[in-house]
Amino acid sequence: RKEVEQDPGPFNVPEGATVAFNCTYSNSASQSFFWYRQDCRKEPKLLMSVYSSGNEDGRFTAQLNRASQYISLLIRDSKLSDSATYLCVVKEETDSWGKLQFGAGTQVVVTP
Amino acid sequence: NAGVTQTPKFRILKIGQSMTLQCTQDMNHNYMYWYRQDPGMGLKLIYYSVGAGITDKGEVPNGYNVSRSTTEDFPLRLELAAPSQTSVYFCASSYPNRGPLQETQYFGPGTRLLVL
Repeated sequence: RKEVEQDPGPFNVPEGATVAFNCTYSNSASQSFFWYRQDCRKEPKLLMSVYSSGNEDGRFTAQLNRASQYISLLIRDSKLSDSATYLCVVKEETDSWGKLQFGAGTQVVVTP
Repeated sequence: NAGVTQTPKFRILKIGQSMTLQCTQDMNHNYMYWYRQDPGMGLKLIYYSVGAGITDKGEVPNGYNVSRSTTEDFPLRLELAAPSQTSVYFCASSYPNRGPLQETQYFGPGTRLLVL
């Protein structure tokens, strides 16, 4: 079983619409959670951290459900530039060195 | 700041050849990492370093070696290339301290390696 699982998609989204997708993680001791964005043939970049109470960053909303061990990402008013692969990332240790577990990513394609 | 830079961008190797993937960061980060990314898979950690002179194995270290003689540089060495090492290799770095800034890993643009 993969430690971090994501629906690979693609999620085809009309411009201006809302899209949401989840990621599940297997280690209940996981401490920190993130969404990274990866454009085609580019490096991953941090999109946002995911806090216990949920958090927003502009059109992006991240939620954490520890009981069910999943995190979610919602994108409102999708833009063409939101087309990318979104990587769910989970950190397992509490000390300053924490191994990151990366999901394989969810592809989002925003269409005109 | 250039951030994290990697060279080469692309390389074709024959089975059994060796090469070094270069990685340099100019952000004075103590922590550096090497990952590989295969199609349909999440990034897998090969090696990491918490400071100059200190390195340790990640999840998939076999077939690779690293060194960290300076804070800035973290080269990855492939000694006997095998087709299974065909992948995209990313170097990353991060701050050493606790807190939100420590959580972010900054990635280089990647090296695409094809072993034939």
